Amino acid sequence: SQQGEEDPQALSIQEGENATMNCSYKTSINNLQWYRQNSGRGLVHLILIRSNEREKHSGRLRVTLDTSKKSSSLLITASRAADTASYFCATDVGFQKLVFGTGTRLLVSP
Amino acid sequence: GAVVSQHPSWVICKSGTSVKIECRSLDFQATTMFWYRQFPKQSLMLMATSNEGSKATYEQGVEKDKFLINHASLTLSTLTVTSAHPEDSSFYICSARDPGPMADTQYFGPGTRLTVL
Repeated sequence: SQQGEEDPQALSIQEGENATMNCSYKTSINNLQWYRQNSGRGLVHLILIRSNEREKHSGRLRVTLDTSKKSSSLLITASRAADTASYFCATDVGFQKLVFGTGTRLLVSP
Repeated sequence: GAVVSQHPSWVICKSGTSVKIECRSLDFQATTMFWYRQFPKQSLMLMATSNEGSKATYEQGVEKDKFLINHASLTLSTLTVTSAHPEDSSFYICSARDPGPMADTQYFGPGTRLTVL
């Protein structure tokens, strides 16, 4: 399977703490994207990082990409209860296809 | 950003019946849409790529005669689950790629939860 893996599978933190999720993938990519999914809902696009980029920021989000290790990380700083959701990385492997990682379930407690 | 809608948001049907799910791009035209399936507490798995005006491309292991895809216009793709069985119960999500400056971004519909009794 081409599917990427994410760790941890689940993460529980307190409000104000930072949350870090890691994604590993298997094939060469055009870009890597991170999405958030609230329980039973659709996906919200968070950030896209291209294969020639190493780091990208968007608000409280910081994404890194290491193509030599085929890995990426998503850092959410100063987390809030509203950040509670599942987070998925997705790799653009060409032909407009996205391959999703296994996901990290984040719980932020007040 | 671009908006993708799905209808219905949930459906319950009896085993053996067929169910149609619609995916619409509301404020842009999408020559390509994608259909995913997600089982509880699992990730999204791509089922097929829906191409406007031509046949869909199915991923390995997905039965094209069971999951019929029609992309009749630049804003509508439909997925029909034929002769549904309980194991087809899942969350079905579609997406479309933004044709504008954010062309690498896919926008996802809110999903359709199918329950087959």
